[in-house]
Amino acid sequence: GAVVSQHPSWVICKSGTSVKIECRSLDFQATTMFWYRQFPKQSLMLMATSNEGSKATYEQGVEKDKFLINHASLTLSTLTVTSAHPEDSSFYICSARDDTSGTDTQYFGPGTRLTVL
Amino acid sequence: GQQLNQSPQSMFIQEGEDVSMNCTSSSIFNTWLWYKQDPGEGPVLLIALYKAGELTSNGRLTAQFGITRKDSFLNISASIPSDVGIYFCAGSNTGGFKTIFGAGTRLFVKA
Repeated sequence: GAVVSQHPSWVICKSGTSVKIECRSLDFQATTMFWYRQFPKQSLMLMATSNEGSKATYEQGVEKDKFLINHASLTLSTLTVTSAHPEDSSFYICSARDDTSGTDTQYFGPGTRLTVL
Repeated sequence: GQQLNQSPQSMFIQEGEDVSMNCTSSSIFNTWLWYKQDPGEGPVLLIALYKAGELTSNGRLTAQFGITRKDSFLNISASIPSDVGIYFCAGSNTGGFKTIFGAGTRLFVKA
């Protein structure tokens, strides 16, 4: 149980293009999902909290117009990196909180490696 | 803001040795979580702790929720090469507060 998938697992794009990353909770419903960014040899950096049916909450320093988040259903959140630039290259990981667990435990997806040329 | 201090930053051990790592905080948490991350993968939940003083095992892994609710440790017994990876602790509070992650402990196991 508590499986989270991400798609794609990796993507290479040209500078200036937009990239959409999907995060799905496969066997549970998740009103709340989270998007993290991780640089090599560093810890997870929370970018935003995605709430189903409402606007995402962004962490300080994260541009909401640059990183668009849509949480349209209880099992799907998407992160769109708009007008990507090489400095956006990173490992993006989502996590989801099981609505029925009654706990704050987060289950992570396998991550998406974005490379912007 | 809340911070977790995770130590050690890295460990180089011989296969078969026991390992111990810990996290401390100046703030109280209601939940302590331990994750393992393999290269190029997302973190995988190892153990979740919900009560102060709780001691929980998962195979060769044992973790404890400190009685003060400000710390937690993770022990790995009889380490094997596949234990290699980065171990993260995380603390959270109920009510929708953010989960705070430690900086990670990199474990290297020599066969």
